[in-house]
Amino acid sequence: GAVVSQHPSWVICKSGTSVKIECRSLDFQATTMFWYRQFPKQSLMLMATSNEGSKATYEQGVEKDKFLINHASLTLSTLTVTSAHPEDSSFYICSSNPWVTGYEQYFGPGTRLTVT
Amino acid sequence: AQSVTQPDIHITVSEGASLELRCNYSYGATPYLFWYVQSPGQGLQLLLKYFSGDTLVQGIKGFEAEFKRSQSSFNLRKPSVHWSDAAEYFCSRLTDSWGKLQFGAGTQVVVTP
Repeated sequence: GAVVSQHPSWVICKSGTSVKIECRSLDFQATTMFWYRQFPKQSLMLMATSNEGSKATYEQGVEKDKFLINHASLTLSTLTVTSAHPEDSSFYICSSNPWVTGYEQYFGPGTRLTVT
Repeated sequence: AQSVTQPDIHITVSEGASLELRCNYSYGATPYLFWYVQSPGQGLQLLLKYFSGDTLVQGIKGFEAEFKRSQSSFNLRKPSVHWSDAAEYFCSRLTDSWGKLQFGAGTQVVVTP
């Protein structure tokens, strides 16, 4: 149980375009999902907290207009990188928690974004 | 401010040898601590967690960790590593009741024959 999927696993887009990344909880309902960003050889940095039915909460320094998060259902959160630039190229990872198992997070496999 | 520190960026260990990865935390009464492993092409997998109680915690894949309040540490150990243990290991702590995590910088483990 507690499986989180992401789609796509990798994506290449041109500079200036937007790209949407999906995060799904496959076998549990996810009231809250987290989005992380990981640069090569670096740790995970929390970008935002996604809450079903309400606005996301962004960490300091994260541009909310650039990284749009929508959590429209209890199993799906999406991260849209708008007007992408090469510096947005990164590994994006989501996580969630089915609660009944405690506080540990279950992570998606990640999405590799390359902006050319 | 809360922090999680992994002093070792890179560790090389021979297959069959023991492994210890260091993790230190700052601030907080009793922190909720985790060790995750990230293998290439795979998502982060929880190895073990500490919330309270017994300070020696057993996890999956033969890993264990010991919480030492006096040293603000939560070191991960494995008595005998396998080639499949080569991966990136992250120590993390819970920073709010919703599940928000703060991660250490990670330790890359290389296993040599």
